[in-house]
Amino acid sequence: GAVVSQHPSWVICKSGTSVKIECRSLDFQATTMFWYRQFPKQSLMLMATSNEGSKATYEQGVEKDKFLINHASLTLSTLTVTSAHPEDSSFYICSARDSGGTYNEQFFGPGTRLTVL
Amino acid sequence: ELKVEQNPLFLSMQEGKNYTIYCNYSTTSDRLYWYRQDPGKSLESLFVLLSNGAVKQEGRLMASLDTKARLSTLHITAAVHDLSATYFCAVDLSWGKFQFGAGTQVVVTP
Repeated sequence: GAVVSQHPSWVICKSGTSVKIECRSLDFQATTMFWYRQFPKQSLMLMATSNEGSKATYEQGVEKDKFLINHASLTLSTLTVTSAHPEDSSFYICSARDSGGTYNEQFFGPGTRLTVL
Repeated sequence: ELKVEQNPLFLSMQEGKNYTIYCNYSTTSDRLYWYRQDPGKSLESLFVLLSNGAVKQEGRLMASLDTKARLSTLHITAAVHDLSATYFCAVDLSWGKFQFGAGTQVVVTP
């Protein structure tokens, strides 16, 4: 089956620093990737849609200058949390849609747990 | 505003008994997905339902989709401890953009 990796799996950083999270589709090409955040015992909240070679589309209420997304290739999207603060601590999950798939199934990465001190 | 409502949000199951989780949604969509999430983990795909009347079964789990009623159900037969997890339904809005339900936390006890 389709595999999506994320790196790192967990990260602890100091307030004010920036953190980059990578999302890779390992065995398929993905023109579209999605970034979600999930707070404890809550559902997934879509942050943005990442499109290869173009600007990301952010959901309402998500600060594009704080959460920078780059989708530079068909297998890699990155999310950079800039000037992180404790309220940014969360579980970040990416997903990728198989460009060659016949329907829009998303394949999810294992997630990145971010803790900002 | 699109709504995807799951109920119940918490389900305490006794081993060996049958239960159903419901997923109602407010927009037109022919595609619905069910996922399982274990604590601290990401999502595991369970079922992809692509059309009205679709029914999929895997082991003790069976999912169905009624697009006219905008309702999907996830039925658990003879619950076992290994099924303890949080289950999410997700509606495909367009171009693969999903709207998730709030999730149903399932705890199976002897």
